[in-house]
Amino acid sequence: EIVLTQSPGSLSLSPGERATVSCRASQSVSSSYFAWYQHKPGQAPRLLLYGASTRAPGIPDRFSGSGSGTDFTLTISRLEPEDSAVYYCHQYGTSPEYTFGQGTKLEIK
Amino acid sequence: EVQLVESGGGLVQPGGSLRLSCAASGFTFSSYSMNWVRQAPGKGLEWVAYITSTSGTIYYADSLQGRFTISRDNAKSSLFLRISNLRAEDTAVYYCTRNRPSDRWGQGTLVTVSS
Repeated sequence: EIVLTQSPGSLSLSPGERATVSCRASQSVSSSYFAWYQHKPGQAPRLLLYGASTRAPGIPDRFSGSGSGTDFTLTISRLEPEDSAVYYCHQYGTSPEYTFGQGTKLEIK
Repeated sequence: EVQLVESGGGLVQPGGSLRLSCAASGFTFSSYSMNWVRQAPGKGLEWVAYITSTSGTIYYADSLQGRFTISRDNAKSSLFLRISNLRAEDTAVYYCTRNRPSDRWGQGTLVTVSS
């Protein structure tokens, strides 16, 4: 099983700042099968990025992703209050197990 | 509009069984692979199971130890998850999701395992 470890566990930033969330895999992951999700309380998770860097439909360009191999990054520029959420990385390429990171809680002050 | 609506959750005693359902609409269900993902209270997302569009390939999380069975009925645009020998640690919201990666999610159904 590929273990995904996210850092930091939580962060608190102000509107307009930039947030950076890292995800490290226990073994190499194909960037073609790497995604990021946003999850707000009481809502269904929302796909932000897939293929490590491709934005899902309707996702603003403030959200970007990068990385390859074992290290991936989610960047949210120009933070807005509605960006408060838990963010998860996810690998879906190494069958038979797909895995999520443990989550990073982002608070907008 | 794409919709995924889960049902079948509730309070179940340890050792019991449950069958969760997911009704899909707004897209050609038979063309998409599907998943179940769960979230225990206060915990993160955990992928549970995956099934291809024709049911030809099925995967499960190893940690589930053979107690989970995913299936689908394309004629009824429905996805199912049967869980047997339920344990307290199976208490979670269970989400039905579409595709790989999951691009659409239902609102989830809560399963509570307790005596």
